[in-house]
Amino acid sequence: QVQLQESGPGLVKPSETLSLTCALSGGSMNGYYWSWIRQPPGKGLEWIGCIYHTGSNYNPSLKSRVTMSLDTSKSQFSLELNSVTAADTAVYYCARVVPGTGPDYWGQGTLVTVSS
Amino acid sequence: DIVMTQTPLFSPVTLGQPASISCRSSHSLVLSNGNTHLTWLQQRPGQPPRLLIYDISKRFSGVPDRFSGSGAGTDFTLRISRLEAEDVGTYYCTHVTQFPYTFGQGTKLEIK
Repeated sequence: QVQLQESGPGLVKPSETLSLTCALSGGSMNGYYWSWIRQPPGKGLEWIGCIYHTGSNYNPSLKSRVTMSLDTSKSQFSLELNSVTAADTAVYYCARVVPGTGPDYWGQGTLVTVSS
Repeated sequence: DIVMTQTPLFSPVTLGQPASISCRSSHSLVLSNGNTHLTWLQQRPGQPPRLLIYDISKRFSGVPDRFSGSGAGTDFTLRISRLEAEDVGTYYCTHVTQFPYTFGQGTKLEIK
């Protein structure tokens, strides 16, 4: 059974960098888009971007601040979002996206609060 | 970017009664190969989203058959034939047609 688990600091100071890792168990990393999606408290979903073997693709609204990486040897992928502000406070989900189908497996999500 | 617009945003429904959610995309989601990658997600309170329907009308593994999807081009519908208590939550349409992926605003289903 595929499982995803996010990890990282729950509190980040303004102007600093948010860093999260998503660990995969029970499946292969080949052939999928490994994605980050966030949800501000009480609001809807926002796709941050995805990374795959041949590249990555980021939401244009966040592209200048986002870096994603993939480590297949550890079955994990990571998100870095720099220069954070309070507007980046959200539950951050990692998800597996099947090309042409959608996000079929999700992590439980981790709340990241941006505050001094 | 493709804008996804859902209606209604809030829907009180009686248990055992049908429910329907509409989703409209700002651009056609039909690809040159004829496929349309429109997806519906369910998010129960306090839970991550869950894949319900993909390719407009295909139910994901384990999804009850009271859920169905329909539509074409830019207009899509999610239907629940008989609402059960476990169906309470927020439903999102999304597309995986092109980057960036975008989501509808969400429709909150509650028991009347």
